Amino acid sequence: DTGVSQNPRHKITKRGQNVTFRCDPISEHNRLYWYRQTLGQGPEFLTYFQNEAQLEKSRLLSDRFSAERPKGSFSTLEIQRTEQGDSAMYLCASSLSTGVIGQPQHFGDGTRLSIL
Amino acid sequence: AQTVTQSQPEMSVQEAETVTLSCTYDTSESDYYLFWYKQPPSRQMILVIRQEAYKQQNATENRFSVNFQKAAKSFSLKISDSQLGDAAMYFCAYDFGNEKLTFGTGTRLTIIP
Repeated sequence: DTGVSQNPRHKITKRGQNVTFRCDPISEHNRLYWYRQTLGQGPEFLTYFQNEAQLEKSRLLSDRFSAERPKGSFSTLEIQRTEQGDSAMYLCASSLSTGVIGQPQHFGDGTRLSIL
Repeated sequence: AQTVTQSQPEMSVQEAETVTLSCTYDTSESDYYLFWYKQPPSRQMILVIRQEAYKQQNATENRFSVNFQKAAKSFSLKISDSQLGDAAMYFCAYDFGNEKLTFGTGTRLTIIP
């Protein structure tokens, strides 16, 4: 168990550019989540996958955001035409769904996005 | 809407002493889970402890324990024998089975040597 891995750790880009983040979950976990955390706040849910299916998207996920999880393994989160307000820490988490609620989510180190 | 409130933005405690972090939540659900997560500076979020709403017994994990008051919708975290490594942001979170965590705004805990 190598934990949840996120790349890159930091991303600095100019406003208007596209960025893509990657998340590798714990290998046996079938659920994968994306959260966004701004300074001084708790993480906010963005979207989640059960295997390769994207089951829910938050209203925070505008049409500039897209997430994929091909083959139910790693996931990517892409932000197009970045804006100043996209500056945040993007956290990925994974869990093992057993049909019982309350399964703990395991978090990665996050990707910190800074928009110049 | 489900909300989680942490009313203490910052707390401090002397090393080896006990500290309690507060959390209240609002829900109309009857079955749910509550969590405390720890986020050290520049490090990943780690699960500290979790509590199922149906269980009356308060959860404990070594030096960490909770005081779960379902009727009052209160879920506080007690850290006994505080250690320097306990310094972190602590987040209370709620899962009522819709597959996502709702977090509070966090409490920054400082340990005074």
